[in-house]
Amino acid sequence: AQSVTQLGSHVSVSEGALVLLRCNYSSSVPPYLFWYVQYPNQGLQLLLKYTTRATLVKGINGFEAEFKKSETSFHLTKPSAHMSDAAEYFCAVSDRRGSQGNLIFGKGTKLSVKP
Amino acid sequence: NAGVMQNPRHLVRRRGQEARLRCSPMKGHSHVYWYRQLPEEGLKFMVYLQKENIIDESGMPKERFSAEFPKEGPSILRIQQVVRGDSAAYFCASSPPSAGSDTQYFGPGTRLTVL
Repeated sequence: AQSVTQLGSHVSVSEGALVLLRCNYSSSVPPYLFWYVQYPNQGLQLLLKYTTRATLVKGINGFEAEFKKSETSFHLTKPSAHMSDAAEYFCAVSDRRGSQGNLIFGKGTKLSVKP
Repeated sequence: NAGVMQNPRHLVRRRGQEARLRCSPMKGHSHVYWYRQLPEEGLKFMVYLQKENIIDESGMPKERFSAEFPKEGPSILRIQQVVRGDSAAYFCASSPPSAGSDTQYFGPGTRLTVL
């Protein structure tokens, strides 16, 4: 069965510093992987997704993630944090049974950005 | 092109009442997913529907919860005889017919509070 682990429920960085949010997955099939961002009292917005093509995936707002099969990881990074990046970030794996399936989410990482 | 719409955004019910949550998918989308987010938790899959069909309800509690996606109109998540433990944010997502769960687009959620 697929599962997702996000290491660190809270991460705090200074404005302009590197952002690194960790995600490890387990999957019995080649996974589809996603990062979503959730701002307070809002729904989830897709940041980026990996669907077995390029292992380095670029998303919106300057974020990117690299799929590393050997480490079963899909960590999210951004070179320089901005105050507007403060939000909660969720990593998810697609439970692909056939061509359809639901998403399995990690517990989320809250990112704080200090001025 | 309107996104996924959910209403109401906030719903307050007393124990024992019924809660009805509505979800209108994006135009052209025929797949709808419901997720529940408990405080300090990630999203948990509940049910996956296509028009007039429940495809996967493996995440739905066995009692009091039901979902439908009629030929016309929004998808409805219905919770009968609500209890305090049902208090959560309920998110709907939709995807187009060909993409499966490659990309799910989320609505803003309905925050249910049970008094």
